[in-house]
Amino acid sequence: DTAVSQTPKYLVTQMGNDKSIKCEQNLGHDTMYWYKQDSKKFLKIMFSYNNKELIINETVPNRFSPKSPDKAHLNLHINSLELGDSAVYFCASSQRGAENGEQYFGPGTRLTVT
Amino acid sequence: LAKTTQPISMDSYEGQEVNITCSHNNIATNDYITWYQQFPSQGPRFIIQGYKTKVTNEVASLFIPADRKSSTLSLPRVSLSDTAVYYCLVVFSGSARQLTFGSGTQLTVLP
Repeated sequence: DTAVSQTPKYLVTQMGNDKSIKCEQNLGHDTMYWYKQDSKKFLKIMFSYNNKELIINETVPNRFSPKSPDKAHLNLHINSLELGDSAVYFCASSQRGAENGEQYFGPGTRLTVT
Repeated sequence: LAKTTQPISMDSYEGQEVNITCSHNNIATNDYITWYQQFPSQGPRFIIQGYKTKVTNEVASLFIPADRKSSTLSLPRVSLSDTAVYYCLVVFSGSARQLTFGSGTQLTVLP
């Protein structure tokens, strides 16, 4: 059983399009996250939700909008895609907050914007 | 501004102990330091977490000195399969809560 799953694994699209990445965790965790990993492998937090409530919202363009229909899902919708959005996006979950809990990461979604 | 700093890369030989240091300024007394391991094309994987002195589990140890301005991940007797990128993560609980990953250290274990 996959603990944290993401779909799709690869996403190739053109500038200006709108796309979504889905994330699901079957661990019963309360907190979920979205991270962006750029070509230099830097990992940066984008959003964090606890029980469907937004608790971390870093400086991210408002073209990015997270949506949590229930505490097992945290989807990421991106409007008007730009070249600079090309990266690997990771979803993660933890029972407690990131400061004192182990995060479980998904396999990542490689987004390529052309 | 919260910041974490790691060496870009390290090489080691099989069977040796490897120590990777993360420097973190403005860390509060109860701020945790967590280390993750990442293999190519995979998500990061938890290794160890602590907030003071020393923590040990079955795969690694984490040393945090009294001034808490740095922490060291220690991997005993590395093998070729330990070749990966290692990240430290600090959640700074100051005036503006910040979750900050280090830039990652590429560890290459040589035969």
